[in-house]
Amino acid sequence: DAGITQSPRHKVTETGTPVTLRCHQTENHRYMYWYRQDPGHGLRLIHYSYGVKDTDKGEVSDGYSVSRSKTEDFLLTLESATSSQTSVYFCAISGSNTEAFFGQGTRLTVV
Amino acid sequence: GDSVTQMEGPVTLSEEAFLTINCTYTATGYPSLFWYVQYPGEGLQLLLKATKADDKGSNKGFEATYRKETTSFHLEKGSVQVSDSAVYFCALSVPQNQGGKLIFGQGTELSVKP
Repeated sequence: DAGITQSPRHKVTETGTPVTLRCHQTENHRYMYWYRQDPGHGLRLIHYSYGVKDTDKGEVSDGYSVSRSKTEDFLLTLESATSSQTSVYFCAISGSNTEAFFGQGTRLTVV
Repeated sequence: GDSVTQMEGPVTLSEEAFLTINCTYTATGYPSLFWYVQYPGEGLQLLLKATKADDKGSNKGFEATYRKETTSFHLEKGSVQVSDSAVYFCALSVPQNQGGKLIFGQGTELSVKP
């Protein structure tokens, strides 16, 4: 299995608080992605990174920011959590052959 | 922009039935195409892939052919089993020199009954 770890696996937070999710990889892959998965919407890309300090927006980036200060870590921050951001968040990594490997997901509940 | 469209689910089949899940895409350039599978409570796993036109990806009895002329990558299996019950996602990967974005369809839930 690819070395990719998401933390935390579960989190409950209050509306208006900032939240940071972490994705850590041990594969030295160039690309890292954050998705959210919601019923009826499949996986929607939030942000992705194509290298250290190189990031770009996906289709649902509003209310989220990311940082990648080193190859192995990609952080997703909800600046001020809202109930609409209750979801399951997946991190994925890929290297030069474009196949992606996924983490186990983080279930976030905003109350 | 780049996008993937899958047939809506859920799809319910009897064991040993033939499966087709349709997938079409819109992309600039020459993407790679993938099918991923998600079992309950788990992350996504790669099922098969194709990197250029007319390539056929195959794995565990599943097949899909990259059809550039119809911009399609339909998933097929000749005889499904109960253990194939899962959600299936079609995806495309934009070439790395165009950003390397990985985009998914909305997923198709498959339920196979004994």
